[in-house]
Amino acid sequence: GAVVSQHPSWVICKSGTSVKIECRSLDFQATTMFWYRQFPKQSLMLMATSNEGSKATYEQGVEKDKFLINHASLTLSTLTVTSAHPEDSSFYICSARGTEGGSSPLHFGNGTRLTVT
Amino acid sequence: AQSVAQPEDQVNVAEGNPLTVKCTYSVSGNPYLFWYVQYPNRGLQFLLKYITGDNLVKGSYGFEAEFNKSQTSFHLKKPSALVSDSALYFCAVRAYSNYQLIWGAGTKLIIKP
Repeated sequence: GAVVSQHPSWVICKSGTSVKIECRSLDFQATTMFWYRQFPKQSLMLMATSNEGSKATYEQGVEKDKFLINHASLTLSTLTVTSAHPEDSSFYICSARGTEGGSSPLHFGNGTRLTVT
Repeated sequence: AQSVAQPEDQVNVAEGNPLTVKCTYSVSGNPYLFWYVQYPNRGLQFLLKYITGDNLVKGSYGFEAEFNKSQTSFHLKKPSALVSDSALYFCAVRAYSNYQLIWGAGTKLIIKP
């Protein structure tokens, strides 16, 4: 149980275009999802917390107009990288908290490798 | 300030030998502690957690971790390493009063045949 599906697994786009990444909880409802960015050989950087039915909470230094997050249902959150530039190239990972309450581990999608040319 | 330290960037172990990946933490109140593993170009997989109870926690793939309150440590261990254990391991802590996870920098584990 507690499977998180992330799509696409990799995407190449041209500079200036927008890219949408989907994160779905397949067998549980996720009121809260988290979006991370990971640079090569580095740890996870929390970008934002996505709450179903309300605005996302962005971490300091993350441009909310560039990284649009929508959490329209209890099983789907999307991250749209708008007007992508080469410096946005990275590995993006979503996660959702399980249903066990405060001690629930996070369940992660398999990540999306974004390359902006 | 809350923090997690994984003091080793890389750990090398021969197959069949025991392995330890170190983690220390600093958090106010009782900690929730987690270990995750990441294989190349994949998301993270949950290995085990400590919330309360026995200090020795058993998890997936034969891994275990020992919570040591006095040393504020939560080291990951396995009695006999496999080549397939080679991956990136992350320790994370969550304060009881805060849902935010604090992540360690990760430790690359290399198991040599």
